[in-house]
Amino acid sequence: QQQVKQSPQSLIVQKGGISIINCAYENTAFDYFPWYQQFPGKGPALLIAIRPDVSEKKEGRFTISFNKSAKQFSLHIMDSQPGDSATYFCAASIEYAGGTSYGKLTFGQGTILTVHP
Amino acid sequence: ETGVTQSPTHLIKTRGQQVTLRCSSQSGHNTVSWYQQALGQGPQFIFQYYREEENGRGNFPPRFSGLQFPNYSSELNVNALELDDSALYLCASSRQGAGQYFGPGTRLTVT
Repeated sequence: QQQVKQSPQSLIVQKGGISIINCAYENTAFDYFPWYQQFPGKGPALLIAIRPDVSEKKEGRFTISFNKSAKQFSLHIMDSQPGDSATYFCAASIEYAGGTSYGKLTFGQGTILTVHP
Repeated sequence: ETGVTQSPTHLIKTRGQQVTLRCSSQSGHNTVSWYQQALGQGPQFIFQYYREEENGRGNFPPRFSGLQFPNYSSELNVNALELDDSALYLCASSRQGAGQYFGPGTRLTVT
């Protein structure tokens, strides 16, 4: 059962454009939603994360928008650069289970972003 | 770059063999999680260790086992290797209430 669905599978954007990647989740117990960036041959790098008590979080050119009622969240990359070309993963987790940090991350399938110069 | 290190970088094993992968967590982190990432897929949770005990397990068979040591480093052991075990194995460290930071991974090839 795939609990986090990510779209699109691939995305091509011109330099300076806005890249938008969407995710939808099923488990309403999820309370932590990070985005990861992965370059070929490397481990995923934590980009930005949000908790459901806020609807938007911005860090530099990266913004997460969160819609709790729709069970959806998205990553916006403003002024996209060729160096942003990578695979992006959304994820979700339940941070606390019975007082002990659990944090099993459930990942989406990934979006391959290509930014053309 | 995170402070999470993994060894070895690459490994080639034969079906039926056993393998041990190692992970050193980032300073200040007491929790280690292991993930398997098949080519073109998102990482899949294997299990997590907190204070040297298994603290949650994904949908992986018992031939996947682990350890966490007092210094919070960890090992992933896989017995009776199968061809489908070929993947990138990722270790992530964290502390309560904070994000998970991944190491560079170990690429395992089973022939």
